[in-house]
Amino acid sequence: DAGVIQSPRHEVTEMGQEVTLRCKPISGHDYLFWYRQTMMRGLELLIYFNNNVPIDDSGMPEDRFSAKMPNASFSTLKIQPSEPRDSAVYFCASRGTGSGNQPQHFGDGTRLSIL
Amino acid sequence: AQTVTQSQPEMSVQEAETVTLSCTYDTSENNYYLFWYKQPPSRQMILVIRQEAYKQQNATENRFSVNFQKAAKSFSLKISDSQLGDTAMYFCAFLNYGGSQGNLIFGKGTKLSVKP
Repeated sequence: DAGVIQSPRHEVTEMGQEVTLRCKPISGHDYLFWYRQTMMRGLELLIYFNNNVPIDDSGMPEDRFSAKMPNASFSTLKIQPSEPRDSAVYFCASRGTGSGNQPQHFGDGTRLSIL
Repeated sequence: AQTVTQSQPEMSVQEAETVTLSCTYDTSENNYYLFWYKQPPSRQMILVIRQEAYKQQNATENRFSVNFQKAAKSFSLKISDSQLGDTAMYFCAFLNYGGSQGNLIFGKGTKLSVKP
């Protein structure tokens, strides 16, 4: 079975540029999560969706960050304009519904470097 | 708000020996789930083991087992017969079952090094 697919795996861009990270969840999963991982702050939840609807975006750092889920098989996280402090690994994860112990399955992450 | 604390930033163990990673959490909820995730240098996040709070029996998965103490809000991970491939960051995570059934709350992680 295909897991959560993220692209790109690495992104290096200059400050001020727009960055778009992409995620394809596991088919049939109706929860999708975006996380950011840094050495200083560890793993932080940015936003999550249920059935394509944003449920909690309180972790989104500021207006420069936006996330969309136009359909059940695709989500994007966009940063515009990007800043060096946005450099981090960004993970997408998905899980199914039903019993609450359905584990979250993570993608391989996107390592983002803003110069 | 729930919090998860991993008090050991780094640990090391000799190959074939046993190591225990600590995790404590704080919650007022009664129904919840606990997880251990492993993140090797390849940076994948891999589920190691899960525990339902309503189950008294400790979960086991091959060489991995947990010691779940609900009253003490403690959830430690024991790795037996450590292997070089166990070298990784280990994250303890909490999920509140009920309400929004939403996100995992992660600890800061423990970096485990298995030495030959």
